[in-house]
Amino acid sequence: DADVTQTPRNRITKTGKRIMLECSQTKGHDRMYWYRQDPGLGLRLIYYSFDVKDINKGEISDGYSVSRQAQAKFSLSLESAIPNQTALYFCATSDPGQGYYNEQFFGPGTRLTVL
Amino acid sequence: GESVGLHLPTLSVQEGDNSIINCAYSNSASDYFIWYKQESGKGPQFIIDIRSNMDKRQGQRVTVLLNKTVKHLSLQIAATQPGDSAVYFCAETSDYKLSFGAGTTVTVRA
Repeated sequence: DADVTQTPRNRITKTGKRIMLECSQTKGHDRMYWYRQDPGLGLRLIYYSFDVKDINKGEISDGYSVSRQAQAKFSLSLESAIPNQTALYFCATSDPGQGYYNEQFFGPGTRLTVL
Repeated sequence: GESVGLHLPTLSVQEGDNSIINCAYSNSASDYFIWYKQESGKGPQFIIDIRSNMDKRQGQRVTVLLNKTVKHLSLQIAATQPGDSAVYFCAETSDYKLSFGAGTTVTVRA
């Protein structure tokens, strides 16, 4: 969905490096999420934010941190990347007051490889 | 532990036939159950959801069935088309957070 953009789309880095993945949205949604997708495991929630002042851990937050710079921006950081963080990362947004109650809108994903 | 999972990792369907994708869940406290579609190289896209107090909900060419007795969820796609080829995820939600299953890859044969 072009309303949710992620940068970079692909990144190769080395073990120990600090990496930031960025997400921007033009949908005007308060709620934003970061997911990780591994082959055969579906998507797992890393962090979520229901508004600019709200940050919550998901099921796999260890090794990650986030920053909600504005309503439209939500960044995910890997402070010291390790190979098992190699995965496809998705940002998503939602607004239960609009459209379908449970619909989340996903960005195109960032493919991260940690060597 | 609580989990959402799918019965089969792959499904091959003849174009024009109906598709049925199944999912088993274990969290009886979930508020909603949802189906997402993920096409190659894209993020997941919402298809349909069903509230936990409902048994059936219909959308455009899709029907979701919820059997709470056996904790089973299914997605039926009528008259499957080539554009339906994708990975389908079931998910459950509580407190507005989604928990996804592993996915079923649907391939439509011409």
